Amino acid sequence: EAGVAQSPRYKIIEKRQSVAFWCNPISGHATLYWYQQILGQGPKLLIQFQNNGVVDDSQLPKDRFSAERLKGVDSTLKIQPAKLEDSAVYLCASSEGPGTASYNEQFFGPGTRLTVL
Amino acid sequence: DQQVKQNSPSLSVQEGRISILNCDYTNSMFDYFLWYKKYPAEGPTFLISISSIKDKNEDGRFTVFLNKSAKHLSLHIVPSQPGDSAVYFCAASGQGAQKLVFGQGTRLTINP
Repeated sequence: EAGVAQSPRYKIIEKRQSVAFWCNPISGHATLYWYQQILGQGPKLLIQFQNNGVVDDSQLPKDRFSAERLKGVDSTLKIQPAKLEDSAVYLCASSEGPGTASYNEQFFGPGTRLTVL
Repeated sequence: DQQVKQNSPSLSVQEGRISILNCDYTNSMFDYFLWYKKYPAEGPTFLISISSIKDKNEDGRFTVFLNKSAKHLSLHIVPSQPGDSAVYFCAASGQGAQKLVFGQGTRLTINP
């Protein structure tokens, strides 16, 4: 079974530039998550999708961050414009939908390390 | 407000001994707890979980203990092996939501 794929793996940009990250979840997983992990901290949920609908985006800085999951499969996360404090690893995860045995188990991709200069 | 806390940033254990990683939580609505393991340049990988209806769950060398009254859980690894050296994250979810709240992580180093 292929895991969660993310690209790019690394990205360096100047502040005020824009950047986009891509995620392809495990086949058949209905739920997709984007997390931000700042150095020395645990992952923090930015947004959760159930199929192509948003379930939770309460911690997404909506003035600069946006995300979409077209057709309920792949997802992109965009930052525009980037700030220095956005430097972090952005993790994508997926899980099976509600009512399944492994509903609570999330599978993570390798992450994209973003550096904002 | 840090709802899930791992108060030890690092832990060093001799190979073959027991490793004990601790986690505390404040939200009494959490009813499912997970441990993830993370190697450098990789995403976290699921290790073991426990529901609030249990107080212990075992999987090979890994055992998780849950003390609901103290709002505390621990991960025991025995015997510890060099490949166990990684960062371990405790996470919690509750009220039927899949949203995970993570602790800050504990870096475990197993010395030969």
